[in-house]
Amino acid sequence: AQSVTQPDIHITVSEGASLELRCNYSYGATPYLFWYVQSPGQGLQLLLKYFSGDTLVQGIKGFEAEFKRSQSSFNLRKPSVHWSDAAEYFCAVGAYEKLTFGTGTRLTIIP
Amino acid sequence: GAGVSQSPSNKVTEKGKDVELRCDPISGHTALYWYRQSLGQGLEFLIYFQGNSAPDKSGLPSDRFSAERTGGSVSTLTIQRTQQEDSAVYLCASSLTSGRATDTQYFGPGTRLTVL
Repeated sequence: AQSVTQPDIHITVSEGASLELRCNYSYGATPYLFWYVQSPGQGLQLLLKYFSGDTLVQGIKGFEAEFKRSQSSFNLRKPSVHWSDAAEYFCAVGAYEKLTFGTGTRLTIIP
Repeated sequence: GAGVSQSPSNKVTEKGKDVELRCDPISGHTALYWYRQSLGQGLEFLIYFQGNSAPDKSGLPSDRFSAERTGGSVSTLTIQRTQQEDSAVYLCASSLTSGRATDTQYFGPGTRLTVL
């Protein structure tokens, strides 16, 4: 069965600083990987996804993620965070029709 | 166009009562999914619909939980004899096609259920 680990429960970053959120997955076949963001009181919004091909994928809001098969990782990055990026971020792996999510990383931005 | 909508946005109920949660998927989306988001459990898959049928009910936590979908559109998640551990946010998602992990799932805002 597939699983996702997000080792950081909570990260605090200064506005304008760079960001990296970690995600490790376990899946026997080629993984389909996703990053979603959830703002307070909102549903999940897709940031980006990886299916195949180029291991560096670009998403919305200036986010990118890099797939590293050797490390079973799909870390999310942003070069300069904005206060509006404060939210909870979920990594997910897709198998058949089901998404399996990590437990999420809460991002706090300080001025 | 309109996204996935869910109603009610909040539901408070007493232990032992039945509740119904509604999901309206994006028009034209054939697949519909229910997830539960609770403290300590993260996001859990509950059930998936292809059209009006549910090929995968593996995530339903007990026989108190059931779901149906009619007309290939609206879905209702019913929880009978609610328990305090059912308190969570119930999220619905839809995708254009179905059965493939490559299909992007679009999520609704969720229904926050509180069982007293």
